[in-house]
Amino acid sequence: AIRITQSPSSLSASTGDRVTITCRASQGISSYLAWYQQKPGKAPKLLIYAASTLQSGVPSRFSGSGSGTDFTLTISCLQSEDFATYYCQQYYSYPQLTFGGGTKVEIK
Amino acid sequence: QLQLQESGPGLVKPSETLSLTCTVSGGSISSSSYYWGWIRQPPGKGLEWIGSIYYSGSTYYNPSLKSRVTISVDTSKNQFSLKLSSVTAADTAVYYCASQGGEGFDIWGQGTMVTVSS
Repeated sequence: AIRITQSPSSLSASTGDRVTITCRASQGISSYLAWYQQKPGKAPKLLIYAASTLQSGVPSRFSGSGSGTDFTLTISCLQSEDFATYYCQQYYSYPQLTFGGGTKVEIK
Repeated sequence: QLQLQESGPGLVKPSETLSLTCTVSGGSISSSSYYWGWIRQPPGKGLEWIGSIYYSGSTYYNPSLKSRVTISVDTSKNQFSLKLSSVTAADTAVYYCASQGGEGFDIWGQGTMVTVSS
């Protein structure tokens, strides 16, 4: 099974900061990676798919990059509504999927 | 607009079978564009994919749960269902159903909390 290692598990940041979260796959997954945002008590929301394609309606301050085994989610200018937990997910082995462990973005 | 809604008991006894149903509205579960998936999240922990089903009945399960999981589809009711047998406290979680297009889970239900306790 493909394993996904996400880091860091948590981070503290201030509004306006640039934030970067990384995911590493245990084998090459091309660009078959998605990113989700989850707020407390809510279902996850798809932000980015195909490693770098923004889902409709997602603000442009979110961006994704990478291919193969190493991927990055960047929030260019953190807003108050961005404090949440973020997950990556591989779908190279679609429909069998694996999530990363999550990154909690907290207010500094 | 596609919507999904989970339903089922919120409390299950240890060793029994957890059963949940996801009702799809605003679209057909027989769409060739989607798989339909179940994901769970234990309290304070991350997301775990349980398994997925195509409208034809083809199923794919997380290897770590495969021996205990059955996912089925009822196209006449526009529903798909999850059964997880021999549950323990470790199966206590919020269970989500979601539509799985070719690029990840794009539409999610609101989730339902299931507690395993006697």
